[in-house]
Amino acid sequence: LAKTTQPISMDSYEGQEVNITCSHNNIATNDYITWYQQFPSQGPRFIIQGYKTKVTNEVASLFIPADRKSSTLSLPRVSLSDTAVYYCLVVTGGGNKLTFGTGTQLKVEL
Amino acid sequence: DTAVSQTPKYLVTQMGNDKSIKCEQNLGHDTMYWYKQDSKKFLKIMFSYNNKELIINETVPNRFSPKSPDKAHLNLHINSLELGDSAVYFCASSSISGGAKDTQYFGPGTRLTVL
Repeated sequence: LAKTTQPISMDSYEGQEVNITCSHNNIATNDYITWYQQFPSQGPRFIIQGYKTKVTNEVASLFIPADRKSSTLSLPRVSLSDTAVYYCLVVTGGGNKLTFGTGTQLKVEL
Repeated sequence: DTAVSQTPKYLVTQMGNDKSIKCEQNLGHDTMYWYKQDSKKFLKIMFSYNNKELIINETVPNRFSPKSPDKAHLNLHINSLELGDSAVYFCASSSISGGAKDTQYFGPGTRLTVL
């Protein structure tokens, strides 16, 4: 069973750009890719969403290649407050199976 | 006002007991979900309801029974609790039923510990 996978963890320093990739080779053809951020003892919260190419909002960018089998969340100039777990969310298989990625713990240091 | 609320926040109980977790959303959304997050932080969908009707029911033991009295509430009842049920359970809601396109709003979670 194809999994939706992410690196377990990433370390960065304040002011750097961080790119987190999610591999979702079983993604449904007609649905979006969404990324969530989760702080300790809180529920996940929406960051950004896209279907293809590139999407940018006030907090992040999302890059999606043409085959849509992966996506990359880009966080520009991270700060300590960006330390969190980041998840991608896709629909996999033939229809409505909502699947979160395995999650990436981002740690930002001074 | 909290958009999606869950009670209780912490639940400690013995194996074999029956317990319920309540969820309420005041966003006017049509769809609600239950997720389980294990100790490795993996998030897995358990159920989703749209306008009180079950639309997703993943491979979850039938000891878990969701109940939706109205579209603003989705409660989770668990019978005969087992050690492996220990996890954090998240409720979420979205305005439309379906896939990843629909932004989900999550509750703060309920940490269930089965002893």
